[in-house]
Amino acid sequence: AQKITQTQPGMFVQEKEAVTLDCTYDTSDQSYGLFWYKQPSSGEMIFLIYQGSYDEQNATEGRYSLNFQKARKSANLVISASQLGDSAMYFCAMREGGTNFGNEKLTFGTGTRLTIIP
Amino acid sequence: DSGVTQTPKHLITATGQRVTLRCSPRSGDLSVYWYQQSLDQGLQFLIQYYNGEERAKGNILERFSAQQFPDLHSELNLSSLELGDSALYFCASSVDSGVRYEQYFGPGTRLTVT
Repeated sequence: AQKITQTQPGMFVQEKEAVTLDCTYDTSDQSYGLFWYKQPSSGEMIFLIYQGSYDEQNATEGRYSLNFQKARKSANLVISASQLGDSAMYFCAMREGGTNFGNEKLTFGTGTRLTIIP
Repeated sequence: DSGVTQTPKHLITATGQRVTLRCSPRSGDLSVYWYQQSLDQGLQFLIQYYNGEERAKGNILERFSAQQFPDLHSELNLSSLELGDSALYFCASSVDSGVRYEQYFGPGTRLTVT
């Protein structure tokens, strides 16, 4: 089974509108972290936002917020007031707790290509 | 700029050759991770080092090896290269090891095997 599922291969959104990128995850660990990264066409991976499994509040970072629904195992990224510079690939990733000395890796979804239309 | 540096940015080499990719983590970060991004496999974790010691291993081929030096920089060695090894190789670092520590990625090394 896929650990991270991103069901939207591509999205087109009008500039200034809000956009939600979907992410569902699968883990049996109680302690885990969820991350979103942005990859522009230049190729670098840019960290956007983090949500811990024990965090009671949804994470926010500027125009980015994470809609965390633990029971549904979803961690959707919401970008408010989209800008042309938001056009990029967006990856959802998970880090599971495991032992103290293992499971340090990030497992990534297949990504969503977001295109902002002027 | 994440603060993680990788060299070289691009590398073109022939099948059967060996290459070394270099990574310098952000100042103060003890953990270094290597990832491979290819069209068919997506982003895959290769290996992690923490303060000089191997911490976790992913689907890293036996032809690939890595190490982290006392100054915390890391090198990924790829040998007997095949066409399928062509990919973008990322190094990432985090301040510590654990679930909550975000990983900051370098700009990547794009490897082309011809």
